[in-house]
Amino acid sequence: EADIYQTPRYLVIGTGKKITLECSQTMGHDKMYWYQQDPGMELHLIHYSYGVNSTEKGDLSSESTVSRIRTEHFPLTLESARPSHTSQYLCASSEWGVTGELFFGEGSRLTVL
Amino acid sequence: AQTVTQSQPEMSVQEAETVTLSCTYDTSENNYYLFWYKQPPSRQMILVIRQEAYKQQNATENRFSVNFQKAAKSFSLKISDSQLGDTAMYFCAFMKLVGNTDKLIFGTGTRLQVFP
Repeated sequence: EADIYQTPRYLVIGTGKKITLECSQTMGHDKMYWYQQDPGMELHLIHYSYGVNSTEKGDLSSESTVSRIRTEHFPLTLESARPSHTSQYLCASSEWGVTGELFFGEGSRLTVL
Repeated sequence: AQTVTQSQPEMSVQEAETVTLSCTYDTSENNYYLFWYKQPPSRQMILVIRQEAYKQQNATENRFSVNFQKAAKSFSLKISDSQLGDTAMYFCAFMKLVGNTDKLIFGTGTRLQVFP
């Protein structure tokens, strides 16, 4: 099992609430990613980071924001959740260099009522 | 833009049999990687197998092998001697070799059920 952890695993909240999805890895990886995955659909990259104080937007536009203050931590925040944000969010990390091997967390399934 | 297509939403196979999952992709790049990732129910997604486009030899990892047809832009996964633990979603993914970011483009996945 990869050493990358996401909390919470499941979250049901009301519209307008602020939420933060946590992601931590203990592998010392510089690169980290957030993917959004809807049921029966492909994964879409929404944010990534090369290292501390580096964040970039991915291919899919998202209203969420991320921060990378520590190497091991890459939280995702939604300031005001809406039903359209209902989805599964997967965090991943990879080593320096380009290999394509991503190590994924178990995911956070968000439902906004 | 690159796209990855998995035309089989669901597949099933009996234990010990062989199954092949299909994947096609579209790109104008010449140098890239292709991957198959496995996502078991309620568990972490993991890399199954990787193929570099410049290599003609098909990649193999134990019971998993690929049939890479670069001209046809086809990348199928063959699972031999299927086991119950192979039950999972399987995602085909593409990555072009640009920069230092592992930005993967995923297909929609194939749900594989292995029956006893």
